[in-house]
Amino acid sequence: SQQGEEDPQALSIQEGENATMNCSYKTSINNLQWYRQNSGRGLVHLILIRSNEREKHSGRLRVTLDTSKKSSSLLITASRAADTASYFCATDGMPGANSKLTFGKGITLSVRP
Amino acid sequence: GAGVSQSPRYKVAKRGQDVALRCDPISGHVSLFWYQQALGQGPEFLTYFQNEAQLDKSGLPSDRFFAERPEGSVSTLKIQRTQQEDSAVYLCASSSPVEDTQYFGPGTRLTVL
Repeated sequence: SQQGEEDPQALSIQEGENATMNCSYKTSINNLQWYRQNSGRGLVHLILIRSNEREKHSGRLRVTLDTSKKSSSLLITASRAADTASYFCATDGMPGANSKLTFGKGITLSVRP
Repeated sequence: GAGVSQSPRYKVAKRGQDVALRCDPISGHVSLFWYQQALGQGPEFLTYFQNEAQLDKSGLPSDRFFAERPEGSVSTLKIQRTQQEDSAVYLCASSSPVEDTQYFGPGTRLTVL
């Protein structure tokens, strides 16, 4: 079963614009991670935010976490055509590196050149 | 360094055939996960190994699915008597004890005719 739900399901923007994607989840978490998946490829890890963190940055990525609302957002600034991909949020519920991830259904991002 | 590798990348099987999918994790990673990703969906957890021990197989959909990691490195996911509903991308991920990030391989796309 899917833990998270991302919205929107699909997003189309112009190159240079910012893209904001949201994720909601149902149960308590230890970490929340965002992954990117290009067509026909595996998942690439983008960023991890822990349950005691509220915001994190990595390059053009900014992720926020609101545990009271059980939601997270991923912001990609100054988007590029190469950012076109599916984006997934994933949560785990146990401390340590041994926890299975529960994914949402994903958001399809299209960046028009 | 080398990432997670999986083979074959593509597999076509006739219904009723047995298949074996291989995963080579990142060297030194003790945790190994298998996920199943249906078309248009997020990955769903199948099973987890810590070294050679299979600690969680709660996601395996039926007793036709079997996974092993006999020497604590390479893992094989075997599906017996394949059915059309087994068609999916099978993803393998590994992680180290010092971080919570799971690193994914490119996946094996299984098509059952």
